[in-house]
Amino acid sequence: ETGVTQTPRHLVMGMTNKKSLKCEQHLGHNAMYWYKQSAKKPLELMFVYNFKEQTENNSVPSRFSPECPNSSHLFLHLHTLQPEDSALYLCASSHVGSSYNEQFFGPGTRLTVL
Amino acid sequence: DAKTTQPPSMDCAEGRAANLPCNHSTISGNEYVYWYRQIHSQGPQYIIHGLKNNETNEMASLIITEDRKSSTLILPHATLRDTAVYYCIVRVVATDSWGKFQFGAGTQVVVTP
Repeated sequence: ETGVTQTPRHLVMGMTNKKSLKCEQHLGHNAMYWYKQSAKKPLELMFVYNFKEQTENNSVPSRFSPECPNSSHLFLHLHTLQPEDSALYLCASSHVGSSYNEQFFGPGTRLTVL
Repeated sequence: DAKTTQPPSMDCAEGRAANLPCNHSTISGNEYVYWYRQIHSQGPQYIIHGLKNNETNEMASLIITEDRKSSTLILPHATLRDTAVYYCIVRVVATDSWGKFQFGAGTQVVVTP
């Protein structure tokens, strides 16, 4: 257990569905991240929220919409996804202002788009 | 942030030490070396980090060469549960910013009985 939880762990959705991924951190951190990991590819950073403000969007398509209502919760809203969006979606958190600022990851949500 | 080079795969016998090399020849003076690992289909797990001194914790040891151009992660007694992809990352640590982790392909370590 890393102190970062993600739900659901597995999700299957059609291309016309709308769904949301949830991440919660219990570490008192103030920065949260979404990563995407496609099969046999390195992790790709999608979004960064630092003190609840979005500070990074790595050219992610608008069908992915992040939301960070407070420093402990992070959502990724999904709509009209494509089959190539099937991947492992990972959430992480860290404490900006600490000496080393390492990131702690959740277990991920395995998403399959049909 | 500096780039790293790691071998794509390594095998290790259970109970033996696993020595994972990483080359970071363009590392700058304010960049730390971090190691993470990812067990199949799970989130990456932080292992250890260092600047220039060797470091040890309950999981592993990190040996950084004097010129800081390479490092070695040592798993002292590998177990089957250590089978994972190991990532070596170098990054600047700034207390006023979130700091980007750039994950590469890593080294697939397979521990065999």
